[in-house]
Amino acid sequence: QVQLVQSGAEVKMPGASVKVSCKTSGYMFTSNYIHWVRQAPGQGLEWMGIINPNGGSTSYAQKLQGRVTMTSDTSTSTVYMELGSLTSEDTAVYYCARRQIRSGSFDYWGQGTLVIVSS
Amino acid sequence: DIQMTQSPSSLSASIGDRVTITCRASQGISNYLAWFQQRPGKAPKSLIYAASTLQSGVPSKFSGSGSGTDFTLTISSLQPEDFATYYCQQYHTYPLTFGGGTKVEIK
Repeated sequence: QVQLVQSGAEVKMPGASVKVSCKTSGYMFTSNYIHWVRQAPGQGLEWMGIINPNGGSTSYAQKLQGRVTMTSDTSTSTVYMELGSLTSEDTAVYYCARRQIRSGSFDYWGQGTLVIVSS
Repeated sequence: DIQMTQSPSSLSASIGDRVTITCRASQGISNYLAWFQQRPGKAPKSLIYAASTLQSGVPSKFSGSGSGTDFTLTISSLQPEDFATYYCQQYHTYPLTFGGGTKVEIK
């Protein structure tokens, strides 16, 4: 069965970087793009960007350009999202989600990774 | 960016009630509209794509409709597990954008 398993919670200082992983299984890794979405405490969902694991091409939300980097490792079927220059505004749960081939919508989600930015 | 506006932002309903949530896009998105359910402390769950197609395994008490700019999600006969927050999302144009969410609470 399809699974997306994310890395554990992180606590970071302002100005630092965080790298969250999303390990996939149960399907051909290079067949489906992966999105990243975040959710600040008590807030709604915000799309961050997308990566094509087959070749590594990416598209990022404009507000995060220059701070976010998404990568993939085909040897481990894992995608990564790194966010730099962290501020308290980046405190959120970060989710990876698989792009469904036939529809272009999301189908499977990771369980989420809480990132807390605090001094 | 395409703005997605959901209404209401919250509602109270009883077990067995039929509930309808609306979602409006700031410009036409054809049927590139998805609905997600999020229970407290959990990851979102994909319910519907292409405005009206149920994801595999989603019960038929959920239904979606609409095209262009106006969409609805209907839940027939609410059950305890349906009390959650529901989000619409457009995937017609990048950046993908979500509605603000509708929290369905127990009356």
